Amino acid sequence: NAGVTQTPKFQVLKTGQSMTLQCAQDMNHNSMYWYRQDPGMGLRLIYYSASEGTTDKGEVPNGYNVSRLNKREFSLRLESAAPSQTSVYFCASSVERGNTEAFFGQGTRLTVV
Amino acid sequence: RKEVEQDPGPFNVPEGATVAFNCTYSNSASQSFFWYRQDCRKEPKLLMSVYSSGNEDGRFTAQLNRASQYISLLIRDSKLSDSATYLCVFFSGGYNKLIFGAGTRLAVHP
Repeated sequence: NAGVTQTPKFQVLKTGQSMTLQCAQDMNHNSMYWYRQDPGMGLRLIYYSASEGTTDKGEVPNGYNVSRLNKREFSLRLESAAPSQTSVYFCASSVERGNTEAFFGQGTRLTVV
Repeated sequence: RKEVEQDPGPFNVPEGATVAFNCTYSNSASQSFFWYRQDCRKEPKLLMSVYSSGNEDGRFTAQLNRASQYISLLIRDSKLSDSATYLCVFFSGGYNKLIFGAGTRLAVHP
């Protein structure tokens, strides 16, 4: 049972570089999310997608873009990486938005130098 | 006031101890509440939902106090394997999203 799969697990970027974090779920969930986790700050929502074809901003969307490619896949793009984007990124999915258990991927540890 | 506040800990307890964590929230429109567990450098996983009447799952008991706007988690007979960070989470109807606390670290020692 794969659940939620994120790639890559680790990445180092130089300031100004771009990259895309990939996320796929095989649970037929409608809703998908991208969070970042920084020490002492908990998880903060970057973007979410309530269903295929829709995306909405979360608490900290600046500097990021997302694509809900299909029901399974939800990618996060950093167009021009900044050191402030050094963080651990988690993708998650749930049957529906908010009010049900969220399942998380294993995380991507991103360092921007 | 922060949307959700947790004591960051760490709580250092011996095996067999009973330990309790509280979590306060500011949005009275919050509808659903959860406790997640996160092991070091791992993803969060659902530990248990929190129901209005309180609920138990083995050694774990969760309580909700809507009047005072807090939830609690009680762990009885602590095990070494309980060492982790415990995140309180609530679904905010006003914001229509899950809100995560920063977490409380628990360290259980022999």
